[in-house]
Amino acid sequence: AQTVTQSQPEMSVQEAETVTLSCTYDTSESDYYLFWYKQPPSRQMILVIRQEAYKQQNATENRFSVNFQKAAKSFSLKISDSQLGDAAMYFCALADTNAGKSTFGDGTTLTVKP
Amino acid sequence: EADIYQTPRYLVIGTGKKITLECSQTMGHDKMYWYQQDPGMELHLIHYSYGVNSTEKGDLSSESTVSRIRTEHFPLTLESARPSHTSQYLCASSETIRWETQYFGPGTRLLVL
Repeated sequence: AQTVTQSQPEMSVQEAETVTLSCTYDTSESDYYLFWYKQPPSRQMILVIRQEAYKQQNATENRFSVNFQKAAKSFSLKISDSQLGDAAMYFCALADTNAGKSTFGDGTTLTVKP
Repeated sequence: EADIYQTPRYLVIGTGKKITLECSQTMGHDKMYWYQQDPGMELHLIHYSYGVNSTEKGDLSSESTVSRIRTEHFPLTLESARPSHTSQYLCASSETIRWETQYFGPGTRLLVL
């Protein structure tokens, strides 16, 4: 069985500052993918960033980057220059290629203060 | 934005009624999913499908049923709604090859009185 743990139910950040959301996971598979999804209030869930486990280089998407520590099974999301539109619930997810489905963490609610 | 649609967006219904939540996608994705999510809480996979005529139960036991007669359509049915079914239901789809990345619909918020 695979698990995804987000230990921070809520986080807040000042506009233009940087915030890091934590995620740890457990899987016995060697081939898997990790994701961060964003769910704004009353809006559609969208993909923020994706990381293939076989890649050592950390994924980046504009202001969003990850710190992928495979040995520690850690996958944190860093948001730089936070904007009001970043306020949302963020879900960490693990996709196991053998199981063919994803496991989601409990989510972290991010508040951005003006 | 992803081309995946859910109707209705909001539904308030009485106990015992039969309801069907619609989900359609125009991306030609083979894999589709239904998640149940209480407000501000985690997602629970309740059903998924690998393609036409394929349906599988997810991690969370659910009294709902699904069907997949057409690639683009994956409806979820509750034969007799109960207050315990009150939740948000999210539909998602993914490609066959790059199945790991899911595209989500806007969700249906269901309230059973």
